[in-house]
Amino acid sequence: DAKTTQPNSMESNEEEPVHLPCNHSTISGTDYIHWYRQLPSQGPEYVIHGLTSNVNNRMASLAIAEDRKSSTLILHRATLRDAAVYYCISQTPSGTYKYIFGTGTRLKVLA
Amino acid sequence: EAQVTQNPRYLITVTGKKLTVTCSQNMNHEYMSWYRQDPGLGLRQIYYSMNVEVTDKGDVPEGYKVSRKEKRNFPLILESPSPNQTSLYFCASSSTTEQPTDTQYFGPGTRLTVL
Repeated sequence: DAKTTQPNSMESNEEEPVHLPCNHSTISGTDYIHWYRQLPSQGPEYVIHGLTSNVNNRMASLAIAEDRKSSTLILHRATLRDAAVYYCISQTPSGTYKYIFGTGTRLKVLA
Repeated sequence: EAQVTQNPRYLITVTGKKLTVTCSQNMNHEYMSWYRQDPGLGLRQIYYSMNVEVTDKGDVPEGYKVSRKEKRNFPLILESPSPNQTSLYFCASSSTTEQPTDTQYFGPGTRLTVL
C-alpha cells in the first residue's frame, strides 16, 4: 500500500467549498483511494472512495489527478459539522488488505 | 441498528494484568480489524481478520493477540499490558474481502490506560 501525505491542518469558512489535498506518489495502478473522517470523540466514518475517475456522493466529491499521484476531497459547502480529521488512504485490492491511515488533516470550519 | 460495539469503553489497568477488549458486529461482515490511535501518529492497524479463523498482522501487532472463532466477534487480547499500550482503540468491520473498497464501519472506541 502506498503511503499518503496530507497537510496537518486547514481552515475554511462556513458555507464555502473546501479542497483537502492528498499526495500518494507511490500509488500502484490498482490501489484504491479512500477518504474517511473522524468527528470529535467518534470513530472514523467513510466519506468516499475511487480508483481513476472523479467520484461524487451526497457527502463529497473526489477528484483524482490523471497520473493518480494525488487526489483532492471536495466539500462543496462546509458546515460546522464538517469539522473533523480527514484521512486519505491508499489500499491495495488484493493481498494484505492492510489499511494505512496516516495522521490526516484537521479541518477547522469558521462560523 | 447496524453497529460495531466495543467493551469496555474505558479501562484503567496495571502493567502485566491480562485484559481483553471485546468487539462485536451485527452486520454479518467477514472482515474485521483493530486499530490504535495515538496523538501525532494517527490510526495504525494492529490486526485484521478476513474471515473466521483467518487473522493477520497489521502494522503494529507486537504485544497484542486476536482470535476470530465466530464471525461476529473479534476480541483484542493484551496478555501482559505495558504503559506504551496506553491508547485509544478502535474496532472496525466491512462486508467482504472480495470487495476491498467496501466501507469500514468503526466502533465507538475503547480508551485504555496502563499504569
